[in-house]
Amino acid sequence: KQEVTQIPAALSVPEGENLVLNCSFTDSAIYNLQWFRQDPGKGLTSLLLIQSSQREQTSGRLNASLDKSSGRSTLYIAASQPGDSATYLCAAPWGKAAGNKLTFGGGTRVLVKP
Amino acid sequence: ETGVTQSPTHLIKTRGQQVTLRCSSQSGHNTVSWYQQALGQGPQFIFQYYREEENGRGNFPPRFSGLQFPNYSSELNVNALELDDSALYLCASSLGGQLEAFFGQGTRLTVV
Repeated sequence: KQEVTQIPAALSVPEGENLVLNCSFTDSAIYNLQWFRQDPGKGLTSLLLIQSSQREQTSGRLNASLDKSSGRSTLYIAASQPGDSATYLCAAPWGKAAGNKLTFGGGTRVLVKP
Repeated sequence: ETGVTQSPTHLIKTRGQQVTLRCSSQSGHNTVSWYQQALGQGPQFIFQYYREEENGRGNFPPRFSGLQFPNYSSELNVNALELDDSALYLCASSLGGQLEAFFGQGTRLTVV
């Protein structure tokens, strides 16, 4: 059974600082890993999807890495802005045959102070 | 290409009642998954539908049931509502379950 953990649960940084968000998973036979952003009371916005064959994925100021052997993924957000304040969630499928029945971490709530 | 849409956005029900939530999947997507997100927690997988058949279920009781229609839209039904059912219910669609999942804005259910 895949378990996903995100530490810390909350993070506060000054504007302009780089953000580093951590995600740990227990089953290294991971098919892919997806990062999401969630604004308060809203749905999830997909940020990046990393396939198991990839080591990282980039989109603009966002970069996500995947290390299956250590069971870790990291989301980097460069030059943070107040608009980056949100909860960030990572999720992994139960297994390759499970499609994208996702197991989520508890999320990291980020506050970027102007 | 339209995104995933859910209705209603907010709902208040009384304990013991029944509720139906609706989801229209993104155009071309044949897989719909439902999640429950309690306040301050990550979403929990309820079940998934693929081509109108249930394709996996999380640790939720039978009073949580679902349906997928030929146009791939879906419903989540909850019977005998309990106070702990109060949560944000999220629907996600994907193509064949192998690729990126796209989520709707959710339905906020409050049980009083």
